[in-house]
Amino acid sequence: GAVVSQHPSRVICKSGTSVKIECRSLDFQATTMFWYRQFPKQSLMLMATSNEGSKATYEQGVEKDKFLINHASLTLSTLTVTSAHPEDSSFYICSARKTGAGDTQYFGPGTRLTVL
Amino acid sequence: DAKTTQPNSMESNEEEPVHLPCNHSTISGTDYIHWYRQLPSQGPEYVIHGLTSNVNNRMASLAIAEDRKSSTLILHRATLRDAAVYYCILRGYNAGNMLTFGGGTRLMVKP
Repeated sequence: GAVVSQHPSRVICKSGTSVKIECRSLDFQATTMFWYRQFPKQSLMLMATSNEGSKATYEQGVEKDKFLINHASLTLSTLTVTSAHPEDSSFYICSARKTGAGDTQYFGPGTRLTVL
Repeated sequence: DAKTTQPNSMESNEEEPVHLPCNHSTISGTDYIHWYRQLPSQGPEYVIHGLTSNVNNRMASLAIAEDRKSSTLILHRATLRDAAVYYCILRGYNAGNMLTFGGGTRLMVKP
């Protein structure tokens, strides 16, 4: 298998602050990483596709200026939620694509964001 | 990616086999069939994937219909730790490698 980590696992912040979430592929290189958001009792929704060395591609309805994505290396992508508000409270999950037949994606454990 | 249809929920008894169905009647020739599962408050976990032939690994087996319009994930002996939401996802080879998650099947395992 392949391991993807996320940090922090849980964060509580005040409204108006910014929060950075890190996603790392620990034992493989990932040119492409993905960021998902999951609200309670709902399925995962893709937010953006992060490509190493280039700008992220955002899904429709996701504000790129609010959710800043940086993929500076082949093992690290970061998601920064800027000026967070209570409606941004959610479970944020990243995944990293491992090249090969079927191009399996491996997911991080998720980050629970609570904005007060 | 083509759409998949799964039952919302299923129940199983511990130690018994579980067959989780997935319909994907609009699958294209280059779509891979991926299965992931998500335990509560965790990220999805890769289970298995296949293209045409049946596949086995340490976690499960994947049985793919001859016409590829349906597939079945088989857990040979369900344990309480297998209780999760199971997602059947089609991913096109050239679809930007995105995974589009549907509702999945919530598997409940009874002791």
